Amino acid sequence: DAGITQSPRHKVTETGTPVTLRCHQTENHRYMYWYRQDPGHGLRLIHYSYGVKDTDKGEVSDGYSVSRSKTEDFLLTLESATSSQTSVYFCAISEVGGGTDTQYFGPGTRLTVL
Amino acid sequence: DQQVKQNSPSLSVQEGRISILNCDYTNSMFDYFLWYKKYPAEGPTFLISISSIKDKNEDGRFTVFLNKSAKHLSLHIVPSQPGDSAVYFCAARSNNNDMRFGAGTRLTVKP
Repeated sequence: DAGITQSPRHKVTETGTPVTLRCHQTENHRYMYWYRQDPGHGLRLIHYSYGVKDTDKGEVSDGYSVSRSKTEDFLLTLESATSSQTSVYFCAISEVGGGTDTQYFGPGTRLTVL
Repeated sequence: DQQVKQNSPSLSVQEGRISILNCDYTNSMFDYFLWYKKYPAEGPTFLISISSIKDKNEDGRFTVFLNKSAKHLSLHIVPSQPGDSAVYFCAARSNNNDMRFGAGTRLTVKP
């Protein structure tokens, strides 16, 4: 299994509070991704990173920001959480991005916004 | 705008029989396709993939078929085992690394 950990694994917070989720990898992969999984939608890309300090938006980026100061860590921040951001969040990593590259996923963080 | 669709939310199959999971896509720029398997409380795990230059890829009990003209792919599992019970996600990617997922199909294999 790819060495990917996510923290926390579960979080309950209140509307309007800031939340930061952490993804940590030990594979030294260049690309890292944040997805959210919701019933009826599968996984949708929030943001991704193609290197330290290099990030780009995904399909559902509104209300989220990311940072990557080290190769191994990718942070997802909800500046002011809303109930619509209640979801399961998955981090993924890949070596080269695109082509026949495969993304490998972490165990997920279940976030509930009350 | 769901560019990848898995129209069957669930599928139930008897152990030892074939499971066929289907996926349709709308974006003709997709050129690489993947299947992921997901157990409860775990992240998706990569299962098998296929490039658009092929129409079939096989790995043990798992075979993926791609019909580009119909924009359709399918995953065949033969023979199905109870441990195959999981949610299966189809994913498609274009050369700009934009990967889209279907909503998933929950497969139940009955002993």
